[in-house]
Amino acid sequence: AQTVTQSQPEMSVQEAETVTLSCTYDTSESNYYLFWYKQPPSRQMILVIRQEAYKQQNATENRFSVNFQKAAKSFSLKISDSQLGDTAMYFCAFMKRGSEKLVFGKGTKLTVNP
Amino acid sequence: GAVVSQHPSWVICKSGTSVKIECRSLDFQATTMFWYRQFPKQSLMLMATSNEGSKATYEQGVEKDKFLINHASLTLSTLTVTSAHPEDSSFYICSARASSGSLEETQYFGPGTRLLVL
Repeated sequence: AQTVTQSQPEMSVQEAETVTLSCTYDTSESNYYLFWYKQPPSRQMILVIRQEAYKQQNATENRFSVNFQKAAKSFSLKISDSQLGDTAMYFCAFMKRGSEKLVFGKGTKLTVNP
Repeated sequence: GAVVSQHPSWVICKSGTSVKIECRSLDFQATTMFWYRQFPKQSLMLMATSNEGSKATYEQGVEKDKFLINHASLTLSTLTVTSAHPEDSSFYICSARASSGSLEETQYFGPGTRLLVL
């Protein structure tokens, strides 16, 4: 069974600075997807970024980028120019290709301070 | 694109009553919808997976007679909590997965429903 580990329960960053959230996963699969979801205080889950394992290029979405290290089974999220609105729980998730289920990590609570 | 709505956002009910929660994909067709439960300060726990026109698949430990799921169309799934009790109080979230196209293989989430059973 796949597992996803987020080793940082809480993190904080100053506004406008850069922060990196870590995520590691364990799987024997070679074809899969990885996701970062954000859950702000409203509790709406929002897709931040998605990575397909067969793509070597790291995904980016504006201020959000990932460092995908397939051999190390690592999928960290970098947030540049942090904004107050980035304050949220961040969940890393894994999905085997062909499966419908997401496997979530326990989340990292990020606080952006003014 | 990829908007999922959920209704109601808040519900308070008396113990023993049933509550229905609707999940709709507004701008795409969803082959599969998912229902999660989230306890405070915890991650999401998958309750069941529903495919349009067929019976839902429940995760181990989830009572299918208690949490009735219907997926009547490619844009609507409902979760009915039957004979609700205080221990059913929680935050319920649905998600939808697109049938095809660039949205495929990605789950998009509704805003959630807070259920409080008195």
